[in-house]
Amino acid sequence: QVQLQESGPGLVKPSETLSLTCTVSGGSISVHYWSWIRQSPEKGLESIGFISYSGSTNYNPSLKSRVTISVDKSKNQFSLKLTSVTAADTAVYYCARGGLVVDDAFDVWGQGTMVTVSS
Amino acid sequence: DIQMTQSPSSLSASVGDRVAITCRASQSISTHLHWYQQSPGKAPKLLIQSVSNLQRGVPSRFSGSGSGTEFTLTISDLQPEDFATYYCQQSYTTPMHSFGQGTKLEI
Repeated sequence: QVQLQESGPGLVKPSETLSLTCTVSGGSISVHYWSWIRQSPEKGLESIGFISYSGSTNYNPSLKSRVTISVDKSKNQFSLKLTSVTAADTAVYYCARGGLVVDDAFDVWGQGTMVTVSS
Repeated sequence: DIQMTQSPSSLSASVGDRVAITCRASQSISTHLHWYQQSPGKAPKLLIQSVSNLQRGVPSRFSGSGSGTEFTLTISDLQPEDFATYYCQQSYTTPMHSFGQGTKLEI
């Protein structure tokens, strides 16, 4: 049974870089699409972007200039970097598994990690 | 961008009731519509994929229908564990797999 676990700092200062890692257990990261999604009271659930099993990425246009998603197959992990954060980036961040094709649903989610942007 | 609008935003019901939640897309999304359930403090859980395909382990009292721009999640014989927030999500456009704003189902 595939499980996902997010890790990273819970507090990030404004203008700095938010970095999170998602560790995949019980399955290979070399299959499926892998996504980051965040949730805040203001914006609800928001897709940040995804990385495919081939390493290609696709980002939410509203965040594209600040986002990088990468994968480390040797560690079965994928990561999120969001630069120049502001209070508007405060949210619960989830990693999630997509399907074998890009338009499949997110069928496995991490438990989520709260990230607060504050000085 | 495709906007997803759910109605109602909140819904009160009782155990044993049948309820329906509607999700409307701002343009046609064919059958690229999925439903999630989220309990407080938990991650969303996929219930139904591609309009009507129940995920393994999801009770048959959950069902989905629709196509194009209007979709419905129906829950029959409500159980105590069904009181949660429900979200629809479209995957017709990438990477903006946009979600609805949620429907909170309360006792």
